Amino acid sequence: AQKITQTQPGMFVQEKEAVTLDCTYDTSDPSYGLFWYKQPSSGEMIFLIYQGSYDQQNATEGRYSLNFQKARKSANLVISASQLGDSAMYFCAMREKTSGDNTGNQFYFGTGTSLTVIP
Amino acid sequence: DSGVTQTPKHLITATGQRVTLRCSPRSGDLSVYWYQQSLDQGLQFLIQYYNGEERAKGNILERFSAQQFPDLHSELNLSSLELGDSALYFCASSAQGINQPQHFGDGTRLSIL
Repeated sequence: AQKITQTQPGMFVQEKEAVTLDCTYDTSDPSYGLFWYKQPSSGEMIFLIYQGSYDQQNATEGRYSLNFQKARKSANLVISASQLGDSAMYFCAMREKTSGDNTGNQFYFGTGTSLTVIP
Repeated sequence: DSGVTQTPKHLITATGQRVTLRCSPRSGDLSVYWYQQSLDQGLQFLIQYYNGEERAKGNILERFSAQQFPDLHSELNLSSLELGDSALYFCASSAQGINQPQHFGDGTRLSIL
């Protein structure tokens, strides 16, 4: 089974509107981290937001918020007040420990969602 | 600026050749990760090092190898290159802890002719 699933290859949103990018994950580990990254056309990977598996509240960073539904194993990214500069690929990722001493970690990435903001 | 430095930014070489990609992690980060991003495969995890030792292994080919040195910089060696190895290679570093994100370098774009 895929560890991270992003079912929206492409999304369009009107400027100043909000948009939700979907992400579901699969793990049996009670301790994990969920992350969203943005990759603009220039290629760099930019960290946006983090949600821990034990966090009770949804994470928020500026215009980004994470809608975390643990029972459904979903971690959707919400971008409010979209801007033209938000046009990019967005990747959902999960961090799992691979060693008991927490020095080994593996990050699993989804296939990404291409977001286009329309003026 | 993520604080992660990758060199070179671009590399063009021929099939059968060998190349070395270099990465300097963010100050204080002990973990280094290597990824390959191609159009048809997405972002593929290759390998992770922590303080000089291999800690996790992903879809890394036998023709590829990596190491992390005492000063924590890392190198990814790609040998017997094939056309299909053309991709963007990312290095990322992170601090220890499940809540720590990876911070990515700008990548090395490898083109095999």
